Amino acid sequence: DVKVTQSSRYLVKRTGEKVFLECVQDMDHENMFWYRQDPGLGLRLIYFSYDVKMKEKGDIPEGYSVSREKKERFSLILESASTNQTSMYLCASSAYSDRIYGYTFGSGTRLTVV
Amino acid sequence: AQSVSQHNHHVILSEAASLELGCNYSYGGTVNLFWYVQYPGQHLQLLLKYFSGDPLVKGIKGFEAEFIKSKFSFNLRKPSVQWSDTAEYFCAVSGANDYKLSFGAGTTVTVRA
Repeated sequence: DVKVTQSSRYLVKRTGEKVFLECVQDMDHENMFWYRQDPGLGLRLIYFSYDVKMKEKGDIPEGYSVSREKKERFSLILESASTNQTSMYLCASSAYSDRIYGYTFGSGTRLTVV
Repeated sequence: AQSVSQHNHHVILSEAASLELGCNYSYGGTVNLFWYVQYPGQHLQLLLKYFSGDPLVKGIKGFEAEFIKSKFSFNLRKPSVQWSDTAEYFCAVSGANDYKLSFGAGTTVTVRA
């Protein structure tokens, strides 16, 4: 089974801190994604990457950046955390050949910004 | 850009009742359609998918969904729910050649024993 591992399950950070959320997948998938999940809003795409060093903005990229230096790792960066970024963050991956077959998700990181 | 609308925010059922969750999408082209489920404390899992062929698709745990192209709908059904079906259900859509999934707001299903 493909595994998508997110480094932290729970995280508490202060306003203004720089925050790194890490995601690693172990099945050589080309595509990786970061979503945030909020009650009543579902999942909203922040950024995605279809190859190493490639990135594209999703629907809500403001206040975030990403890094993909290695194929298996996709990092989400909150440059200066704010309280409205308190959310559940989900990482997902998919293989290029399987792009129509859906994603494999990680367990999520619940970030609280105080 | 595509969008996904799920009709119900929260559904409460008794065991053995039938379940139907509505999903409509807007997209000007060929689509791939998905239902995901998130059980309490667990990660999102794929329940079923449609990309071509028979518009009635069967997934895991007795779930099925019907794609009605003329109605831009992909409703999820289960004839008889169990307490273990308590979860949040998400409908998602992508363009046929698109990497990205767009998700609906989700429907929380609570099954009472």
